Amino acid sequence: GNSVTQMEGPVTLSEEAFLTINCTYTATGYPSLFWYVQYPGEGLQLLLKATKADDKGSNKGFEATYRKETTSFHLEKGSVQVSDSAVYFCALSGRNSGGSNYKLTFGKGTLLTVNP
Amino acid sequence: NAGVMQNPRHLVRRRGQEARLRCSPMKGHSHVYWYRQLPEEGLKFMVYLQKENIIDESGMPKERFSAEFPKEGPSILRIQQVVRGDSAAYFCASSDSVGETQYFGPGTRLLVL
Repeated sequence: GNSVTQMEGPVTLSEEAFLTINCTYTATGYPSLFWYVQYPGEGLQLLLKATKADDKGSNKGFEATYRKETTSFHLEKGSVQVSDSAVYFCALSGRNSGGSNYKLTFGKGTLLTVNP
Repeated sequence: NAGVMQNPRHLVRRRGQEARLRCSPMKGHSHVYWYRQLPEEGLKFMVYLQKENIIDESGMPKERFSAEFPKEGPSILRIQQVVRGDSAAYFCASSDSVGETQYFGPGTRLLVL
């Protein structure tokens, strides 16, 4: 079955530091990959996505590249801000013939805290 | 341009009571998904519905849980005879067609005493 493994937190950084949150996946077929962000007390917001190998998703300074050869989708940001403090979830939706391409499979989430 | 709406945001129930969670999808979306987030866990798929149809309920516990998405009105996730283990955040998502990006609501945090 599908699974997502992401780096365990918590991660604590100083403002303007470089961020990497690792995410690897196992899936049949050709999944789409996502990063969602959850701010305290709120629901999940889609941060970025990539639908095929070598695609790069980007948004708000965050980037992630779909690497089929390493089955990875690591999240990066060059300079984090205090307002980036949140929980980040890596997720995939399967896409294979006859399969369910609507079930999102999530990692456990990584708590990021950015200090001023 | 309202997003996905869920209510209530917080719900407290005693063991044995019923919990009823509501979800209104984004305007124009006819596909609804429910996920459960247990403490310190990722979200787990529960059920996928279209209007008046349950498409996939493979993630729903076999007993006490049910979901519907009527022709009119919000989608409802119903938990009968709640137990402490049902305490979790329940998130609803919607999309405009199957396989497209899912947009999430703010969640309902259920606490069972």
